Amino acid sequence: EIVLTQSPAFQSVTPKEKVTITCRASQSIGSSLHWYQQKPDQSPKLLIKYVSQSISGVPSRFSGSGSGTDFTLTINSLEAEDAAAYYCHQSSSLPLTFGGGTKVEIK
Amino acid sequence: QVQLQEAGPGLVKPSETLSLTCTVSGGSISTYYWSWIRQPPGKGLEWIGYIFYTGSTNYNPSLKSRVTISLDTSNNQFSLNLNSVTAADTAVYYCARLHFWSGYQEFDPWGQGTLVTVSS
Repeated sequence: EIVLTQSPAFQSVTPKEKVTITCRASQSIGSSLHWYQQKPDQSPKLLIKYVSQSISGVPSRFSGSGSGTDFTLTINSLEAEDAAAYYCHQSSSLPLTFGGGTKVEIK
Repeated sequence: QVQLQEAGPGLVKPSETLSLTCTVSGGSISTYYWSWIRQPPGKGLEWIGYIFYTGSTNYNPSLKSRVTISLDTSNNQFSLNLNSVTAADTAVYYCARLHFWSGYQEFDPWGQGTLVTVSS
């Protein structure tokens, strides 16, 4: 099973600040890495697919990068509505797995 | 656009079977892979398994001995059965579409989720 380790687990950030979340895979997963945003009491929503491919309707301040085992989700100029938990997910091999999540709080 | 909606009992007794149904609207279930994912309160996401429209399935090894996912194409639904439940199975259960193109891809969209509590 591929283990995804996210860091940090929690981040308290001021609006307009830049946020960086990392996701490290226990083995190479190529570019089969996707990101989800989960706001309180809501279901997860696809944010970025295949490391860096944008999703229709998602603000351009969200971007992704990386390959192999190390991946990054960046939120440029954080807004209040970005308060949420963020999860990475690998689809390279079964069982499909998720990272432990990163909770972003707005100061 | 495709929408998913989970339904089922919110309370299940220990040792009994948890049964949920996911209704797909806005598109046919007879394409794509369809998945169940769960999230214990305050914790992260765990993939349970998927079913393809042909009926083929794949389950997370951690749950494989207790899980069955089935398809009802006439009603555009798929279902989850998890037997011998314990308090550790208390979670919000989500259904989601799993995209596939020469390999597994992303989950999109997701249902709103349904909380199932295991308690006597």
